[in-house]
Amino acid sequence: GAGVSQTPSNKVTEKGKYVELRCDPISGHTALYWYRQSLGQGPEFLIYFQGTGAADDSGLPNDRFFAVRPEGSVSTLKIQRTERGDSAVYLCASSLGTGGYGYTFGSGTRLTVV
Amino acid sequence: LAKTTQPISMDSYEGQEVNITCSHNNIATNDYITWYQQFPSQGPRFIIQGYKTKVTNEVASLFIPADRKSSTLSLPRVSLSDTAVYYCLVGNNYGQNFVFGPGTRLSVLP
Repeated sequence: GAGVSQTPSNKVTEKGKYVELRCDPISGHTALYWYRQSLGQGPEFLIYFQGTGAADDSGLPNDRFFAVRPEGSVSTLKIQRTERGDSAVYLCASSLGTGGYGYTFGSGTRLTVV
Repeated sequence: LAKTTQPISMDSYEGQEVNITCSHNNIATNDYITWYQQFPSQGPRFIIQGYKTKVTNEVASLFIPADRKSSTLSLPRVSLSDTAVYYCLVGNNYGQNFVFGPGTRLSVLP
């Protein structure tokens, strides 16, 4: 597609439930990133994929968070046993992964845990 | 990862030129400097990227001195629609994640 698509745009879930957030990157972009943004803060890095593999998952806050990118395009961020502190906007970005290019971000998924 | 420091907020008036300076004293040799703009309820949007000297595109100019320890984003003749948060990031593009700081909240007043 023309841009990075994230679905759903909004998700409300109950504490303790499992959620999946989807990211469809720009076609041909090999690098894909997940960030989390709380109100008034800059985006916080979660995980980075180069192709199908997670090249850097050092930003995942704990083992309740997991992400996959099985075919090197669409990625899913999975959160188990959600907590109210997980409420944030989850942003996905993709890039060509080579020198001289910036990221293209999606509009994010606003997750609210009640 | 190089850290950046930029003003938390700035005010300007329509039609003025706005310069936002970012400090990145620990920038590495292969790091680029990239600026993003973010409106409420949207993801950050790439504005401009440079390595040294000056880069200009249809939206902004980026000035980088020879020591590359700082950079200045210049927005010519701002309008109300330029009200946004602007982030300065440094890093290479070879798979390294960029670290976002709190950014500069620019308010353009009529």
